[in-house]
Amino acid sequence: QKEVEQDPGPLSVPEGAIVSLNCTYSNSAFQYFMWYRQYSRKGPELLMYTYSSGNKEDGRFTAQVDKSSKYISLFIRDSQPSDSATYLCATQSGGSNYKLTFGKGTLLTVNP
Amino acid sequence: KAGVTQTPRYLIKTRGQQVTLSCSPISGHRSVSWYQQTPGQGLQFLFEYFSETQRNKGNFPGRFSGRQFSNSRSEMNVSTLELGDSALYLCASSSTDGTDTQYFGPGTRLTVL
Repeated sequence: QKEVEQDPGPLSVPEGAIVSLNCTYSNSAFQYFMWYRQYSRKGPELLMYTYSSGNKEDGRFTAQVDKSSKYISLFIRDSQPSDSATYLCATQSGGSNYKLTFGKGTLLTVNP
Repeated sequence: KAGVTQTPRYLIKTRGQQVTLSCSPISGHRSVSWYQQTPGQGLQFLFEYFSETQRNKGNFPGRFSGRQFSNSRSEMNVSTLELGDSALYLCASSSTDGTDTQYFGPGTRLTVL
């Protein structure tokens, strides 16, 4: 079993839709949770960063972490064609361990 | 602040050759991590350097090595290249101010023929 599982999609939605992206993880040591967005031929760009369980909102983006079920979610409201990209979840155990463990990414297309 | 920069952006090599990739972190960042991204395996951690010392290492063969200089710039080297080493190599820097947030560069696309 991979440490972080993510449905690769692809996911195609109409403009304005609410998008839900999800990951599960298996290692209870993970304390930090991130979502990165990666456009084609670019490096990953940090979208959201959360510590432990709870919700975090930033504009149209909401990240949720449920440590009891080892479940990570990213919601995108009022999706735009510019949101079309690959979304990667990532986890980190923290301390002096800077290793990020990534899901394989979900390819999202928002159609105008 | 300028972001993470990586050079070169594209590289073509043949099997058996070696290659050196360079990464300049965000000013003030002292931690540099390297990742390999392939369609099949996704993003995989190679190693992380802090103050010129390797602190963490992923599960890659010894052909993959790295170093960090006193100005926090980092290089990674791959010797005896194999076809399977074709990938996007990404560098990330972190501020080590407690947030541990990692910021990625644009990557170096390595093609091994």
